[in-house]
Formats: sequence, structure tokens, C-alpha cells
Amino acid sequence: AQSVTQLDSQVPVFEEAPVELRCNYSSSVSVYLFWYVQYPNQGLQLLLKYLSGSTLVKGINGFEAEFNKSQTSFHLRKPSVHISDTAEYFCAVSVSGGYNKLIFGAGTRLAVHP
Amino acid sequence: DAGVIQSPRHEVTEMGQEVTLRCKPISGHDYLFWYRQTMMRGLELLIYFNNNVPIDDSGMPEDRFSAKMPNASFSTLKIQPSEPRDSAVYFCASSQINEQFFGPGTRLTVL
Repeated sequence: AQSVTQLDSQVPVFEEAPVELRCNYSSSVSVYLFWYVQYPNQGLQLLLKYLSGSTLVKGINGFEAEFNKSQTSFHLRKPSVHISDTAEYFCAVSVSGGYNKLIFGAGTRLAVHP
Repeated sequence: DAGVIQSPRHEVTEMGQEVTLRCKPISGHDYLFWYRQTMMRGLELLIYFNNNVPIDDSGMPEDRFSAKMPNASFSTLKIQPSEPRDSAVYFCASSQINEQFFGPGTRLTVL
């Protein structure tokens, strides 16, 4: 079975500082990986996804993530955060050919302070 | 496209009442998912459909919960009777290939 672990439940950071949100997954088969963002009182929105090809994936709002198969990780990074990046971030995995079902991590709350 | 549409956006009801949540997926998407989000349990997958057929309902908490998808453009999640512990935000999502698109959610409060 697949699982996703987000290692930090909360990440406080100052505006314009870099940030990394960590995600590890477990699976015995090939997977697709996703990062979603949830702003307060809104639904989830896709930030980026890895399906195949280049292991460095760029998404919206200046975020990027790197797929590391040997470490089974898919960490999310941004070189300089803004107040508006304050939100909950979810890492998710789906099994290729597996009905598009996503397994979500518990989420990481990013709090950007001025 | 208008995206995934959910109604109502907010629902306040009393314990014991029937609650029906509605979802219109994105046209052309053949997967539909219902999730529940609470502070205590996070984001939980309740049930999902493929081509209007329920594939996995193992996440439905108990018999009080039921979901239907009578056609490709409409799905309902019903709770009968509702209980205070059902208070949560319920999301609907649809998908065609890999990526799921989420609706804005229905915030349910059961008094």
C-alpha cells in the first residue's frame, strides 16, 4: 500500500526567506506525485505534479519540487516566500494506472511572517 | 469551464435531520471523489466513482452516509440522520487524467 509522510506539521518563516516543505512516500510500484495548496476557506489547488521525465518540476507561484526516487522524497521549495504563500500544503501520491485515487499527507501549515 | 461546483456552500442543521450535499463535476471528467476534512482527522477520502459507478466506498464512515451519481454531471452525498460529529468541510473533486480538481467545499455544521 502507498503512504505519504509530511515531516513538518507547521513551518514558520519570514517573508523573502527560502522554504522547503518535506514529503516522503512509500510505494512498491511507480507513482505519480503532487503538491496541492489550500488557502483559508478554499478548496485544494494543484501547485505542481510529477508524472515522468525531468525530476525537477516547476509549478505555479514560483514553487518547484524535486523527485528523488532513491530517497522516495518529493520536497517542495521556494527561494523567496511572500505573505500570500501562507496556506496549508498537501503532498499526495497516486499509483500509475490506479483509478486516479490520491493518497494525501497530513498537510504542512506554512506561516509567513513579515 | 466553471470548475467543480458544490452546493450549498454552507449548511447548518440540527441533529437528526437529513443533509444532502451536491456536486457537479467538470464536463468530460470520468472520475468523481468525495472527501471530508476536519481538524482532527485531516482530509479523508469517503468514496469515488468512475463513469458513474462507485469504485471504493470503504471510507464512508457508517451507514448513515450514502452517495449516488445518477449521471455524469451530478452527484450527491447524503447523511441521514446527521450527528454533531459529522460537522466538517466536504469536498468534491473530479478527474480525467491523474490531476484532481477540487470544488470549493460545503461547510456542514450539525447542532
